[in-house]
Amino acid sequence: EGQLVESGGGLIQPGESLRLSCAVSGFSVSVKYMAWVRQAPGKGLEWVSVVYGGGSTYYAGSVKGRFIISRDTSKNTVYLQMNSLRVEDTAIYYCVTMGRSAFDYWGLGSLVTVSS
Amino acid sequence: QSALTQPASMSGSPGQSITISCTGTSSDIGIYSLVSWYQQHPGKAPKVIIYGATDRPSGVSNRFSGSKSGTTASLTISGLQAEDEADYYCCSYAGSNTWVFGGGTKVTVL
Repeated sequence: EGQLVESGGGLIQPGESLRLSCAVSGFSVSVKYMAWVRQAPGKGLEWVSVVYGGGSTYYAGSVKGRFIISRDTSKNTVYLQMNSLRVEDTAIYYCVTMGRSAFDYWGLGSLVTVSS
Repeated sequence: QSALTQPASMSGSPGQSITISCTGTSSDIGIYSLVSWYQQHPGKAPKVIIYGATDRPSGVSNRFSGSKSGTTASLTISGLQAEDEADYYCCSYAGSNTWVFGGGTKVTVL
């Protein structure tokens, strides 16, 4: 069973950029599907992005063109670069692994607040 | 992609069974059996309790069961217990390497 630890969240102004990190232990990010799922305060879950073991990346329509998912296999870390942030991007961002087509292991989350 | 449709809230007495529905479309639940369910307690990260529409991860109580028919998936909680009070979310693969969640159902144990 792996462990996922997110970092990098905080308060940021609309239009600015922020990068979240997800440090992984217990397995290699190069062999697992790794994803980000977010949850706005008091709201439901929303899938954001995924990077497959082979390196292909995909995004939800709401963040496509603004967010970039990547990974550093030497650091066993996954990143979410968030650009042109909007107030509606305010959420807890969870780093998640995927197995059996489900989101099977979750980090504790990192809160991103976009506000002027 | 539009969110899957779940009832906002449901409740039941201890020992009873409740079934939470999750309605999608012919582009997600209707053509893929890649439906999963998540339990989330307040202030905690979600936890997968059903995957592949009907399968339970090891360690998850057999009081939780999943099913799918057409464009609707369902989660049944049998023998409701106080610890089952939580938010429940369904999720489906929606094609083109995207996933969609339901809006969530708050379950209250009376």
